[in-house]
Amino acid sequence: AQKITQTQPGMFVQEKEAVTLDCTYDTSDQSYGLFWYKQPSSGEMIFLIYQGSYDEQNATEGRYSLNFQKARKSANLVISASQLGDSAMYFCAMREGLYNFNKFYFGSGTKLNVKP
Amino acid sequence: DGGITQSPKYLFRKEGQNVTLSCEQNLNHDAMYWYRQDPGQGLRLIYYSQIVNDFQKGDIAEGYSVSREKKESFPLTVTSAQKNPTAFYLCASSIAGAEENIQYFGAGTRLSVL
Repeated sequence: AQKITQTQPGMFVQEKEAVTLDCTYDTSDQSYGLFWYKQPSSGEMIFLIYQGSYDEQNATEGRYSLNFQKARKSANLVISASQLGDSAMYFCAMREGLYNFNKFYFGSGTKLNVKP
Repeated sequence: DGGITQSPKYLFRKEGQNVTLSCEQNLNHDAMYWYRQDPGQGLRLIYYSQIVNDFQKGDIAEGYSVSREKKESFPLTVTSAQKNPTAFYLCASSIAGAEENIQYFGAGTRLSVL
């Protein structure tokens, strides 16, 4: 089974609007971490936001927030007030367990296009 | 500025040739990683290293080799045994022992076969 599922291959959003990128995960571990990365066309993977499985509050970093619904095993990324520079691939990732170095799984990504 | 430097940005390999991708970090991170990314896909782990002089195979290690002689450096060699090496290669590092284990990435090397 896929550890990380991103069901939206591509998304369009109007500049200044909010957009939600979907991510569901599959793990039987109680301890895990969820991450979102941005990959512009240049290729570098840029860390955006992190949510630990025991964190009760949703993580926020500036215009990014992570909508964490543990029972549904979903970790959606919300980008508020979209900007043209937000156009990129977005990857959801999960680390299983604590302090694991080799249990880090990535989804297949969502390509976001922000329209002026 | 602290960060991860990968070189070269583009690399071409001839049939039967070994090529080495460089990865250097000045973040003082203990752990380093190599990932492969194919078009339209996520990242897959090739090798990782938690400390100097120690490294472990990831999910797709066949046809690749690494070394970790210095904390700052984790070069990846794509050997002639790797029959389909064309891909985008990303190096990452993280603080070992941190619960979050956030991985920070370099800008990548795009490898093509001539």
